[in-house]
Amino acid sequence: DVKVTQSSRYLVKRTGEKVFLECVQDMDHENMFWYRQDPGLGLRLIYFSYDVKMKEKGDIPEGYSVSREKKERFSLILESASTNQTSMYLCASNQKQTQYFGPGTRLLVL
Amino acid sequence: AQSVAQPEDQVNVAEGNPLTVKCTYSVSGNPYLFWYVQYPNRGLQFLLKYITGDNLVKGSYGFEAEFNKSQTSFHLKKPSALVSDSALYFCAVRVKDDSWGKLQFGAGTQVVVTP
Repeated sequence: DVKVTQSSRYLVKRTGEKVFLECVQDMDHENMFWYRQDPGLGLRLIYFSYDVKMKEKGDIPEGYSVSREKKERFSLILESASTNQTSMYLCASNQKQTQYFGPGTRLLVL
Repeated sequence: AQSVAQPEDQVNVAEGNPLTVKCTYSVSGNPYLFWYVQYPNRGLQFLLKYITGDNLVKGSYGFEAEFNKSQTSFHLKKPSALVSDSALYFCAVRVKDDSWGKLQFGAGTQVVVTP
């Protein structure tokens, strides 16, 4: 059975804090993705990775970075959190056609 | 560039009635098309996909979708809606040549099924 997990369901952080969001998949998938979801905007791709240590910018990479040191783990980093990064963050992985999603992390930046 | 449009922010339907959620797309090549569903405070769950072959695709929970190339549409349907179908539905498109499998999502359609 497909399994993508995210380290936290809810997070509250202060402006300027460094924030780490972790995602783990147990399907040996090559590709992993980070999205943010905002009402009326759907899902927007922040970054994706197609192999260990390999990454590509998505549509909205500004203010974010990523790390993929192991195949199963893909981390999203907010170097200095801002209030406009309050959102739902979703991680996904795929091998062929279908992306499988984690449960999401709802981040509130105060 | 590819894009997806879901023209309705919300669809209201009575339980037992047919449910349709609309999706149109724009891509430069041949598309892969997907439907996902999201229940409150949850991640997205895969419902169904069109890759090739039969234009009518059947998926989970009694849902189906029809690929119409001439109208560039991929509408999601269910013959008889349930209250438990109330959720947020997303259509997504991927260009076949994209080896990384990046998806472009629509804005989502909220489905409300009333008893």
